[in-house]
This record gives sequence, C-alpha cells and structure tokens, in this order.
Amino acid sequence: DAGITQSPRHKVTETGTPVTLRCHQTENHRYMYWYRQDPGHGLRLIHYSYGVKDTDKGEVSDGYSVSRSKTEDFLLTLESATSSQTSVYFCAISEVRTGGLYEQFFGPGTRLTVL
Amino acid sequence: GNSVTQMEGPVTLSEEAFLTINCTYTATGYPSLFWYVQYPGEGLQLLLKATKADDKGSNKGFEATYRKETTSFHLEKGSVQVSDSAVYFCALRSNTDKLIFGTGTRLQVFP
Repeated sequence: DAGITQSPRHKVTETGTPVTLRCHQTENHRYMYWYRQDPGHGLRLIHYSYGVKDTDKGEVSDGYSVSRSKTEDFLLTLESATSSQTSVYFCAISEVRTGGLYEQFFGPGTRLTVL
Repeated sequence: GNSVTQMEGPVTLSEEAFLTINCTYTATGYPSLFWYVQYPGEGLQLLLKATKADDKGSNKGFEATYRKETTSFHLEKGSVQVSDSAVYFCALRSNTDKLIFGTGTRLQVFP
C-alpha cells in the first residue's frame, strides 16, 4: 500500500471557521492532489502540486487554498468554511513511471461536516 | 472537453452473476483509461487500466477493453462475489495529465 495518511479523518466545524486538512506521504512522490467526493459528482479535483511550492488550481478550487513546503506534506485550507464544503476529501499522490504512464494512489479520506 | 459517463447504480446482483458496468468517454487525443474501486470507508484503489485502443486491462477477475470506435471501457466480471460490493469509478487521464472521473456506480452483491 502507498504510504499516504490524512488527518484528521473526521471533522465537524461551524460555518465561517478556518479548517486545514493535512496529507502526508512517505513515498517521496512528486505529484500530490486534493479531491472532493460528492454524491452524483464522483471525484473532482480541487488543487494539485507538482513539486515543493509548485501548485495549481483544479476544477473546483474556489474557497480553497493549498500549500506544499515539503515534499511529504500537502495542506488544504478552507479559509472560511461553508456548508457547501461538506464533503469527503481525498488526497492522492503519483509519480512518472516507465513509459510515461503513472497511477494515482489515494489516501483514506477525511469526512468534513460544516454546520 | 473531457468527460466520463457511467451507468447509474446501484447495480444489484446475486453471487456468481455476470457483471457489466458501462463506461463511455469523451476526450481529445488518446487518453489512458482506468477503473478504480472504493470499498466502504476507504479510499480509491486502482483496479485496472488500459493505455491504448484494443488494450484489455484485467485484475482480480475483472476485465475492461479499450474500445476507441465506441469510446467505451466497460467493466465486466464473469462471477461476482459478495466481497466485490463496492463503488466503481471509471476515469480517464487527459492530455493535461489530470484524472477525470465518472460519477461512480455502486455494486451490491447478495448471497
């Protein structure tokens, strides 16, 4: 199994509060991703990183920011949580493989509820 | 743009039944295609993949063939087990190296 952990695994917070989710990897993979999973939408990419301090926006980035100061950690911050950000958040990592094909390995997820 | 369409679930089957979960895609160029599986309370795991037309991915008794002419990548298994109950996601890797997921199909297998 890929060494990916997410913390916290569950969180309940109130509207307007800041929230930070952490993804930690032990694989030294270059690429890291944050997705949210919602019924009827599958997984949607929020932000991704292709190296330390190199990040970019995904499909649903509004209301989220990220930081990557070390290879192993990728933080997702909700500056002011809203109820629409209630979701399950997944971190993923990947690396280039032989022939250019790469796979994404997923963490166990964080269930966030915003009241 | 790129997109993936999966059949809606849940798919409910008896043990040892034949499984098909349909997946079609829209993409520019020649994407790589994937099936991921999510067991209850867990993250997604790669189940199988195919990188070019006519490739067949297979794993754990599941198979899917990359059909460029029909832009499809249907998942099949000849005899499902209760332990196969999960949510299955079809995905493509776009020409910008991002994964685009379908909405997922829940499979429920009963003894």
